[in-house]
Amino acid sequence: EVQLVEFGGGLVQPGRSLRLSCAASGFTFDDYAMHWVRQAPGKGLEWVSSISWSSGSIGYADSVKGRFTISRDNAKNSLYLQMNSLRAEDTAFYYCAKDLRSSTPMGMDVWGQGTTVTVSS
Amino acid sequence: EIVLTQSPGTLSLSPGERATLSCRASQSVSSSYLAWYQQKLGQAPRLLIYGASSRATGIPDRFSGSGSGTDFTLTISRLEPEDFAVYYCQQYGSSPWAFGQGTKVEIK
Repeated sequence: EVQLVEFGGGLVQPGRSLRLSCAASGFTFDDYAMHWVRQAPGKGLEWVSSISWSSGSIGYADSVKGRFTISRDNAKNSLYLQMNSLRAEDTAFYYCAKDLRSSTPMGMDVWGQGTTVTVSS
Repeated sequence: EIVLTQSPGTLSLSPGERATLSCRASQSVSSSYLAWYQQKLGQAPRLLIYGASSRATGIPDRFSGSGSGTDFTLTISRLEPEDFAVYYCQQYGSSPWAFGQGTKVEIK
């Protein structure tokens, strides 16, 4: 079964850091680009970051650029999101998602169930 | 940066009716790199359409996508009870890969 499982979310104070992980199974992880997408409570979807199969192409939303770092370990079938200098507006449900393709994105066809990040003092 | 505007914000229809959802881009989306997603309350999104008009695996043929350039449409030919949800478009033609704000399809 194709599956993505996120973990690492929680309650964190403003200005602190958190690292999200996403464990992939049921498919050849290093054949596909991967994404992080978030959704604030009661709001729409917001693309956060993407990484190609080789980590050679990486992109970030302007809202997180310079604070968040996406990475992957193909040997461990894992995707990561290092989140630094967290702000209250980063509070959201964070989803890990698999792309249809290896490099240039085309669509996110597999999604995890998400993990909650709450930034509050 | 390409901004996607979806309309209407809410669509109130009855089961069996046809739903037409619009996604308009502020600039041309290259190579029709546009996708549509469905999200039900409390669930992760599900990919419906990619490449503007290709149905994802397992998606019923009552869902269809069309359009190019700046104007794209998702059509649900006959609404089933399980189709009442929020729908998002997303473009991949130019980073950042923004989503539209969503259209809620609700039961009339």
